[in-house]
Amino acid sequence: EPEVTQTPSHQVTQMGQEVILRCVPISNHLYFYWYRQILGQKVEFLVSFYNNEISEKSEIFDDQFSVERPDGSNFTLKIRSTKLEDSAMYFCASSEQGVGTEAFFGQGTRLTVV
Amino acid sequence: AQSVAQPEDQVNVAEGNPLTVKCTYSVSGNPYLFWYVQYPNRGLQFLLKYITGDNLVKGSYGFEAEFNKSQTSFHLKKPSALVSDSALYFCAVREQGNQGGKLIFGQGTELSVKP
Repeated sequence: EPEVTQTPSHQVTQMGQEVILRCVPISNHLYFYWYRQILGQKVEFLVSFYNNEISEKSEIFDDQFSVERPDGSNFTLKIRSTKLEDSAMYFCASSEQGVGTEAFFGQGTRLTVV
Repeated sequence: AQSVAQPEDQVNVAEGNPLTVKCTYSVSGNPYLFWYVQYPNRGLQFLLKYITGDNLVKGSYGFEAEFNKSQTSFHLKKPSALVSDSALYFCAVREQGNQGGKLIFGQGTELSVKP
């Protein structure tokens, strides 16, 4: 069964450093997303991406964040200068369409900023 | 603004008994509704969705959910709980007009099924 894969599973970084979280969405999907889940809290939307551009972003997704689809298979989330409060589980997801289809989630990358 | 509420942080059920995990939503237009399950240290797994049509939808692992427009609810149910159903359950909503596909999640309900 096709699945969304994320690397790395766990990343520890120092405050102020740049991190790149990587995702390989399901191959025939057209919409890509990043969500995050701070420990013990709910899953929060960060950004959606379609046709090589951002479709929608949340207030959390400020200038520190960027997304890119550098080739036909990868989808990345970059945090330019990490803060302690960026520590969270980051989930990548993809869906065939944006509206009526379900999103499939990766297993997540746990980001710890120290 | 869109929102989802799961009023119970935790639901405890004995194995073999029916279970219900509650969800209510608020959107400005018609909703698409979803249930996801999260096992420890894992991603979110899709269980079922309501898009249109029959208000009772069936999903994976014997779960079902009923869409109630007047009560703006989408409660998750299962006739007979298993210990292996113990996990964190999330309800999510998407507005039909939202082409970007953003999901808004509830805060999650921890389901504990005891033998």
